[in-house]
Amino acid sequence: AQSVTQLDSQVPVFEEAPVELRCNYSSSVSVYLFWYVQYPNQGLQLLLKYLSGSTLVESINGFEAEFNKSQTSFHLRKPSVHISDTAEYFCAVSVALRDYKLSFGAGTTVTVRA
Amino acid sequence: DTGVSQNPRHKITKRGQNVTFRCDPISEHNRLYWYRQTLGQGPEFLTYFQNEAQLEKSRLLSDRFSAERPKGSFSTLEIQRTEQGDSAMYLCASSLTGGEYEQYFGPGTRLTVT
Repeated sequence: AQSVTQLDSQVPVFEEAPVELRCNYSSSVSVYLFWYVQYPNQGLQLLLKYLSGSTLVESINGFEAEFNKSQTSFHLRKPSVHISDTAEYFCAVSVALRDYKLSFGAGTTVTVRA
Repeated sequence: DTGVSQNPRHKITKRGQNVTFRCDPISEHNRLYWYRQTLGQGPEFLTYFQNEAQLEKSRLLSDRFSAERPKGSFSTLEIQRTEQGDSAMYLCASSLTGGEYEQYFGPGTRLTVT
């Protein structure tokens, strides 16, 4: 079975400062990795995903995540956050080439302050 | 593409009553997933369908839970004899078949059992 650990439950950060959200996973097989975001009063939205190939993946709004197989991590970073990045962020994993059901971490709440 | 819709958005019921939730996926999506999210946790997988076939059920899904997807279109999730522990957000997601395809989530149905 796969499991995901998000090491920080809450991350307060000032506007224009960098942020890193940590995610570690455990699995005995190859996995796909995802970050989902949930803005206040909205549903889950995919932020970015790693399937294969380049270990650094980027989103359209400035986030990036790096897959590190040896450390079984998929940390999310943004060099400069905006107030609008205030949201809950979930790391998720699915088994590659199988059922594709997602196993989620507990989430990290990012609060951006002016 | 109108997105994934779920009804009702909120449901308050008394313990012991039966409830039914509906999910309408994106029309061309043949995969449909149900997840449950409790406060402070990430979503947990419950079950999924490939077209009308229910392919897997989590051990979280007790005998009181049943899900259907007649004709491979909308899906229903029924909970019989509700318990206070069933209080949660029930999320539906749909996708094309394949782990490379994004799961699109609906807004969820929040169930409160009193």
